[in-house]
Amino acid sequence: AQKITQTQPGMFVQEKEAVTLDCTYDTSDPSYGLFWYKQPSSGEMIFLIYQGSYDQQNATEGRYSLNFQKARKSANLVISASQLGDSAMYFCAMREGSLSRLAFGKGNQVVVIP
Amino acid sequence: DGGITQSPKYLFRKEGQNVTLSCEQNLNHDAMYWYRQDPGQGLRLIYYSQIVNDFQKGDIAEGYSVSREKKESFPLTVTSAQKNPTAFYLCASSPETAFMNTEAFFGQGTRLTVV
Repeated sequence: AQKITQTQPGMFVQEKEAVTLDCTYDTSDPSYGLFWYKQPSSGEMIFLIYQGSYDQQNATEGRYSLNFQKARKSANLVISASQLGDSAMYFCAMREGSLSRLAFGKGNQVVVIP
Repeated sequence: DGGITQSPKYLFRKEGQNVTLSCEQNLNHDAMYWYRQDPGQGLRLIYYSQIVNDFQKGDIAEGYSVSREKKESFPLTVTSAQKNPTAFYLCASSPETAFMNTEAFFGQGTRLTVV
């Protein structure tokens, strides 16, 4: 069964605008961590932000913030003030408490246009 | 500079041949992982290792083999039994699997093409 779901089609975003990338997850483990990675066309995976299941506040990291809705099992990434360099694939991932492995979604393609 | 090195960046092999992808890290990380990425499929876990001389199958281990003889190294062999080996392969490591918030660090990837 799919643990991480990212279903948005490719998105075009105007430079300097905000964009929200959706991620829903499925787990019965009360302890888990959620991660977002960026993958530019070069292929490397760049860690962006982390949210723990017990964290009381939404995570923020510079222009990245995470809209964590635990009851809905949703962890959407918000990128504020988009820049041309934000054009990339974005992956949501989860680590469940009993496992060391990271499970990834299929990704969201973002293209920032001037 | 600390990091994860995958080599080569591009690899071409004939069908039916085994091929080994290299992954080396100097981050002193305990856990290492191999993922496969196909267009539209995201990353799928092939194998992972939490400690030297031990490894576990991931979701798509068939047709692949690994070894973990040294903490720094986690080579992946794509065998002739793998039916569709052409893909982008990513190696990753993380410092301590007991901690939930430890992100995985990735190498640059190896693009394997089988002809």
